[in-house]
Amino acid sequence: DAGITQSPRHKVTETGTPVTLRCHQTENHRYMYWYRQDPGHGLRLIHYSYGVKDTDKGEVSDGYSVSRSKTEDFLLTLESATSSQTSVYFCAINIGGPSYEQYFGPGTRLTVT
Amino acid sequence: SQQGEEDPQALSIQEGENATMNCSYKTSINNLQWYRQNSGRGLVHLILIRSNEREKHSGRLRVTLDTSKKSSSLLITASRAADTASYFCATDGVETSGSRLTFGEGTQLTVNP
Repeated sequence: DAGITQSPRHKVTETGTPVTLRCHQTENHRYMYWYRQDPGHGLRLIHYSYGVKDTDKGEVSDGYSVSRSKTEDFLLTLESATSSQTSVYFCAINIGGPSYEQYFGPGTRLTVT
Repeated sequence: SQQGEEDPQALSIQEGENATMNCSYKTSINNLQWYRQNSGRGLVHLILIRSNEREKHSGRLRVTLDTSKKSSSLLITASRAADTASYFCATDGVETSGSRLTFGEGTQLTVNP
């Protein structure tokens, strides 16, 4: 798993509540990514980071924000969760830099009721 | 929008047979990657083929890339029940400068013992 952990692994929350998902890596890799996976859509990029405090939007960033204050942690926040954000969220890192393969965490299953 | 599209969406074969999955994409790429996902787990990188390569092998895996047709295929030879998983192609687009991958929706492979 390339030393990637995600927390929590499962979460059920109510519509309108804030939620923060954490991705932690044990090595100092520069690139980190957040994806969501939904049936019929594959994986879609939410946000990514190319260094501490350096982040950019992916294709489905609306309703999500991210922060990276330390190299090893990349946080994904849903400011006000909606039922459409029910999904499985994966964090990934890029060990070799851009244009190399990514390594994925185990995922967080989020249910918004 | 999804860059890669896999075909077929689902494939069921007998152990020992070969499995072929196809991926089509829309824009110019730096490389194309194949990933595997077992049920309930994160994605695992299988193989990467760069835009100037036409074929690549790794164990029982053979990947081809035809940039003129914007397509790739993944062949798994002598399949095993343990190969049952979802397989995704992902493209590293030239326009995104290698900073992100775009995933297809995946092929669900079932290998029957």
